[in-house]
Amino acid sequence: AQSVTQLGSHVSVSEGALVLLRCNYSSSVPPYLFWYVQYPNQGLQLLLKYTTGATLVKGINGFEAEFKKSETSFHLTKPSAHMSDAAEYFCAVIRSGGSYIPTFGRGTSLIVHP
Amino acid sequence: NAGVTQTPKFQVLKTGQSMTLQCAQDMNHNSMYWYRQDPGMGLRLIYYSASEGTTDKGEVPNGYNVSRLNKREFSLRLESAAPSQTSVYFCASSEGIHSPNTEAFFGQGTRLTVV
Repeated sequence: AQSVTQLGSHVSVSEGALVLLRCNYSSSVPPYLFWYVQYPNQGLQLLLKYTTGATLVKGINGFEAEFKKSETSFHLTKPSAHMSDAAEYFCAVIRSGGSYIPTFGRGTSLIVHP
Repeated sequence: NAGVTQTPKFQVLKTGQSMTLQCAQDMNHNSMYWYRQDPGMGLRLIYYSASEGTTDKGEVPNGYNVSRLNKREFSLRLESAAPSQTSVYFCASSEGIHSPNTEAFFGQGTRLTVV
């Protein structure tokens, strides 16, 4: 079964600093990968997704992620953090085997300091 | 745009009580899902419905039942609530589980406390 592992339950950065949230997947076939964001007391919303084609994927709010097959990774980055980026971030993979059902990592809480 | 609507937003139950969480989507999606979110555990799939008229168990189905009432609505029922079911519940929908190039759309969540 496909799964994702998010390294670090909490990441703390200063405003203006680089944001790097890590996600590794386990898959024997090319996966479909997603990053979602959850703001306090809200549901999840899609940041970006990788299906096929270009391995560098750009999303909303200045975020991007790069699919690296050799490293089985799909890390999320943003060059300069804003206070409004403070949220919970989830990496997700579509589970294969005939049914494409979103399977989520445990989440990483991004804390942004002034 | 309503998207995915969940009711209620908050609920407190006593152990042994029953309740139904309601979910409706207006995007004409085929597939719907119920997840629970617990600290440090991420989102875990409880049940899903690939299409109208079908339901299947997910990762943590024990203690829950579901009904896909029609294409729009997918409800989650707790027959006899237990403190271990204290959680935030999310309903989601997508175009279909047989389409890999799809994203899930989420409701705002139901925060359930069982005392």
